[in-house]
Amino acid sequence: EAGVAQSPRYKIIEKRQSVAFWCNPISGHATLYWYQQILGQGPKLLIQFQNNGVVDDSQLPKDRFSAERLKGVDSTLKIQPAKLEDSAVYLCASSGDRDLTFGSGTRLTVV
Amino acid sequence: DAKTTQPPSMDCAEGRAANLPCNHSTISGNEYVYWYRQIHSQGPQYIIHGLKNNETNEMASLIITEDRKSSTLILPHATLRDTAVYYCIVRAGIYNQGGKLIFGQGTELSVKP
Repeated sequence: EAGVAQSPRYKIIEKRQSVAFWCNPISGHATLYWYQQILGQGPKLLIQFQNNGVVDDSQLPKDRFSAERLKGVDSTLKIQPAKLEDSAVYLCASSGDRDLTFGSGTRLTVV
Repeated sequence: DAKTTQPPSMDCAEGRAANLPCNHSTISGNEYVYWYRQIHSQGPQYIIHGLKNNETNEMASLIITEDRKSSTLILPHATLRDTAVYYCIVRAGIYNQGGKLIFGQGTELSVKP
């Protein structure tokens, strides 16, 4: 089966600019996750969707981060405005009734 | 916060067994132990999970102590491609019950020729 697709693979922006990441989960997977991974650390959960509803967004910095999954399939994560500390890899993952599968991530560099 | 403790790094000789320990002394009765690994520049990859019985699959074995306060991931014949960061995670329920994975710092395993 096809894996979790993410784009872009890399992104460089200046601070205070906005950026968006896209994720296409595995077909049929109801649950979708966005993680942030700062260099040298484990992934940190930002938000979890079940179909098109938010299950957990307690760790999402809502003043600048937003995410949506309008039709319960693809998802978009947005940062506006970006800060230097947002430099990280943003990982999308999805799960059905078994293990969770991750995409390769988007590496964001804020300069 | 992560509910597990792992050594930050370990070395293993190629062809030998790699034994990665994990402490989870506050684990609850309904929490599973999951292991993932992350090879450089890739997303984490599922390895194995268990509740209280030992488990084995084509990748690894998972040994959970009787009191469930610790576990060991065993890679029986480590290869250079097993060099990665290994994460031990405790998680309530299974995926379709909406549970989430909370990652800690993991163990960086270096397999040397």
